[in-house]
Amino acid sequence: SQQGEEDPQALSIQEGENATMNCSYKTSINNLQWYRQNSGRGLVHLILIRSNEREKHSGRLRVTLDTSKKSSSLLITASRAADTASYFCATDWGSARQLTFGSGTQLTVLP
Amino acid sequence: SAVISQKPSRDICQRGTSLTIQCQVDSQVTMMFWYRQQPGQSLTLIATANQGSEATYESGFVIDKFPISRPNLTFSTLTVSNMSPEDSSIYLCSVEERAYEQYFGPGTRLTVT
Repeated sequence: SQQGEEDPQALSIQEGENATMNCSYKTSINNLQWYRQNSGRGLVHLILIRSNEREKHSGRLRVTLDTSKKSSSLLITASRAADTASYFCATDWGSARQLTFGSGTQLTVLP
Repeated sequence: SAVISQKPSRDICQRGTSLTIQCQVDSQVTMMFWYRQQPGQSLTLIATANQGSEATYESGFVIDKFPISRPNLTFSTLTVSNMSPEDSSIYLCSVEERAYEQYFGPGTRLTVT
């Protein structure tokens, strides 16, 4: 089964609002990454957070990681219609380099 | 980041046939991976494409069904063999750039009729 579960499965907000998505995972990890996918296209890498980091920022994105709860959150501030997409978390652990993906959150930003 | 291209971008194939998907990177990379995304689902790793040796397959995926080649550090192919409608998916290659950061190609959307 997949390592990560994301919630909510779907989120609909108005432009300008903040969007928060959560990811939970089951085993200890090395890193957690967030990706965006528009309409079944390729994945765009958003941010990587290492297991010894608690928070990371990139533009309008803020990622937190709580290893004690095995969870992460992605906050998109001041959302835009162009942020409409599916968002996935992905983890790696142990000596493996491959990623295990969460189930994804479908974000819709209404103009 | 590296520029990753895939060919074809989409295809419609008949059951029982095979399709080879190409993944090209504009720089040399050590780690390259192939993923499948079934309709409405998340991504699942098929295999790690190893340069100069056999690919390493994940549980549930076998070489006879998904043969992979990796002749050099910039190119890989994935073949979907003896296709059935259940193989209809998006197939994506990815490469690892900075430690553990993976970047994905645009994907190949396959429909099997």
